[in-house]
Amino acid sequence: DQQVKQNSPSLSVQEGRISILNCDYTNSMFDYFLWYKKYPAEGPTFLISISSIKDKNEDGRFTVFLNKSAKHLSLHIVPSQPGDSAVYFCAASANGANSKLTFGKGITLSVRP
Amino acid sequence: KAGVTQTPRYLIKTRGQQVTLSCSPISGHRSVSWYQQTPGQGLQFLFEYFSETQRNKGNFPGRFSGRQFSNSRSEMNVSTLELGDSALYLCASSSGTGMRGYTFGSGTRLTVV
Repeated sequence: DQQVKQNSPSLSVQEGRISILNCDYTNSMFDYFLWYKKYPAEGPTFLISISSIKDKNEDGRFTVFLNKSAKHLSLHIVPSQPGDSAVYFCAASANGANSKLTFGKGITLSVRP
Repeated sequence: KAGVTQTPRYLIKTRGQQVTLSCSPISGHRSVSWYQQTPGQGLQFLFEYFSETQRNKGNFPGRFSGRQFSNSRSEMNVSTLELGDSALYLCASSSGTGMRGYTFGSGTRLTVV
């Protein structure tokens, strides 16, 4: 039973355009959501997070939107840059940012120059 | 500040053998978690340790075990290796506070032949 779903395995966008990465979850106990970015042969690195009491969090070019009623969150990257090409994982926790994380399967973003 | 260090980076073992992987967390971090990443499966939670106590455990067979030492360093052990255990094993540490969740190491790539 996959509690965090990233249904699109890949996304390709043009440099300078917006990248929208989607994530759905099924467990209503999740109260914290994080996005990680992963390059090959490296561990995931933290990108941005959002608490369930908010519906938007912004950090530079990255914005995460949370729709609790739809159990859906999305990561927007504007403008997209070639260096953003990586695998992006959505993760959720039922007890804040520093407890067990449940990950989606990831989405591979390719930003074309 | 040194990051999360995992050793070894690469490992090749034969079916039926056992293996021990090591993780040194960020200095001051007392929480350590382990994840398994396989192609198409994303990151799956193995276990979490805090102050030498296992605080959480994922749905893996008993062949997978771990421990944490008084200096917060952690090891995980897999006995009677199977071909399906081939994966990237990631260790992550957390201070237990803040909104950035866990910091991951670069992982140990285990290949079982």
